[in-house]
Amino acid sequence: DQQVKQNSPSLSVQEGRISILNCDYTNSMFDYFLWYKKYPAEGPTFLISISSIKDKNEDGRFTVFLNKSAKHLSLHIVPSQPGDSAVYFCAARGGKREGTSYGKLTFGQGTILTVHP
Amino acid sequence: NAGVTQTPKFRVLKTGQSMTLLCAQDMNHEYMYWYRQDPGMGLRLIHYSVGEGTTAKGEVPDGYNVSRLKKQNFLLGLESAAPSQTSVYFCASSRPGGYNEQFFGPGTRLTVL
Repeated sequence: DQQVKQNSPSLSVQEGRISILNCDYTNSMFDYFLWYKKYPAEGPTFLISISSIKDKNEDGRFTVFLNKSAKHLSLHIVPSQPGDSAVYFCAARGGKREGTSYGKLTFGQGTILTVHP
Repeated sequence: NAGVTQTPKFRVLKTGQSMTLLCAQDMNHEYMYWYRQDPGMGLRLIHYSVGEGTTAKGEVPDGYNVSRLKKQNFLLGLESAAPSQTSVYFCASSRPGGYNEQFFGPGTRLTVL
């Protein structure tokens, strides 16, 4: 049962344009969401996060939007740069009632973003 | 700071062989995790530890054992490797609590023939 889904395996964007990566989840107990970025032969690195009490969080070129009613979040990258080409993972963290004080993350399958010069 | 390091980077095993993957972190983090990444599956939690001497099962623990004898090290063992354990293994660490960023190592690519 895939509780966090990234339905687009890949996305191709022109440099300077907007990249929009999408993520859907099914577990209403998730209360914190993160995006990780992964380059080949490296481990994932944290990019940006959002708490379920917010609907938007912005950090420079990166903005994450959360729509709780639709159980959907998206990552916007504006403007996209060739160095943004990587795999992007969406991850979700369960709420206290699930006993997740240790920080268990449930990951999506990842989306390969390619930004063309 | 080296952050999170993993040894080895690559390994090929035959079915039935055993091995240990080593994870080390120099950030004095309490929490450590082992994940595996498979195509189309994202990262899945194998085992985790919330402190020295403690370990617990994650989402896919079968076929693996772990030990956390020192705070900075987290070992993942495969007693009898199977082809289904062919994967990329990532170790991560974080500060205590449920809402702190996890820092990942570079990964170990394991192939079981």
